[in-house]
Amino acid sequence: AQSVTQLDSQVPVFEEAPVELRCNYSSSVSVYLFWYVQYPNQGLQLLLKYLSGSTLVESINGFEAEFNKSQTSFHLRKPSVHISDTAEYFCAVSDESSYKLIFGSGTRLLVRP
Amino acid sequence: GAVVSQHPSWVICKSGTSVKIECRSLDFQATTMFWYRQFPKQSLMLMATSNEGSKATYEQGVEKDKFLINHASLTLSTLTVTSAHPEDSSFYICSARADFRNEQFFGPGTRLTVL
Repeated sequence: AQSVTQLDSQVPVFEEAPVELRCNYSSSVSVYLFWYVQYPNQGLQLLLKYLSGSTLVESINGFEAEFNKSQTSFHLRKPSVHISDTAEYFCAVSDESSYKLIFGSGTRLLVRP
Repeated sequence: GAVVSQHPSWVICKSGTSVKIECRSLDFQATTMFWYRQFPKQSLMLMATSNEGSKATYEQGVEKDKFLINHASLTLSTLTVTSAHPEDSSFYICSARADFRNEQFFGPGTRLTVL
């Protein structure tokens, strides 16, 4: 069975500052890793994913995440955040066979002017 | 492409009534769809996996007789909350796994309020 831990429930940061949202997972099998963003009263939007290949993955809006197998982590980073990045961010894991997503508890990113 | 819709987006019902929520993949086929529920300020909890043409697979602790799932076609899955009670009030989100690639696409969610 897999599990995902997002240690930070809320991360406040000033606009244009860098941010890192932490995600650690546990699994006995190979996994796929995802970051989703959720704006208020909306569904989830895929931000980026790691399936295989390069351990550094990037999104179109400046976020990136690095798969670190030895540390079982998939932290999300952005060098300079905007007010519009304020949202809930969920890290998720699935195994290669079931496609079921197991979500972390979420981290609320609050960007202040 | 890869759009998933849910209907209704919100619903208010009286205790004891049943509510049906639809999940549609608009521009792709989805053999597998998933249903989640999300309580305020909490994460998504997988309720069940819905496979077209077969019975849904429910997660531990989810009552299959209360949350009826029907996946009658490759583009439609429905979740019926039977005899709803106030504790069933939640945000229900579906996702559809695109057959052409290993990714789930999420619907916008349905907010259910049971009075």
